[in-house]
Amino acid sequence: QSVLTQPPSVSAAPGQKVTISCSGSSSNIGNNYVSWYQQLPGTAPKLLIYENNKRPSGIPDRFSGSKSGTSATLGITGLQTGDEADYYCGTWDSSLSRVFGGGTKLTVL
Amino acid sequence: QVQLQESGPGLVKPSETLSLTCAVSGYSISSGYYWGWIRQPPGKGLEWIGSIYHSGSTYYNPSLKSRVTISVDTSKNQFSLKLSSVTAADTAVYYCARDVDMGFDPWGQGTLVTVSS
Repeated sequence: QSVLTQPPSVSAAPGQKVTISCSGSSSNIGNNYVSWYQQLPGTAPKLLIYENNKRPSGIPDRFSGSKSGTSATLGITGLQTGDEADYYCGTWDSSLSRVFGGGTKLTVL
Repeated sequence: QVQLQESGPGLVKPSETLSLTCAVSGYSISSGYYWGWIRQPPGKGLEWIGSIYHSGSTYYNPSLKSRVTISVDTSKNQFSLKLSSVTAADTAVYYCARDVDMGFDPWGQGTLVTVSS
């Protein structure tokens, strides 16, 4: 049981937009930055978004992040088949621990 | 370009100690940042294990703290993980990554460790 709650799966057609939610509490998301990771099949996770809405160098602006209260959202526009992956949110928790969401599998139909 | 590479036995017997090393290239561990271990059981999500600073300061996942030791060797530019008293539940892909506070970046390719007799 993950500390952060994500939907197990989302899907959308190529070219469309999709959002992935990440729900937490005041012990974690509510008082800390959120990061997002993309894990393509058979590969290691890659940092996609940090400090709620910032993109590392090389990450296209099709990917965006936001946070409101104790929830965060990852948005992906102009979906491509290459975006099919598992997406994870992560943050700090007041237990002095790093925590992750359970992951969301994105299917591009 | 910072690169990380995990190494260690792929098979560990129950009740024994899992030992992995992460070699860092393209960046000196002594220059700063924390360095962490994260694992992913087959078909499941990510679990942070713990992180270490070049000075040796550590912080661990409270749920694993009693079994985990992370150490650093700045002369070899690498850091290591030891997880004691392993069970089948510890079977996972183990990743090392730079812990940059805002997140983990970059990650190693990961190494599968199976706990089985």
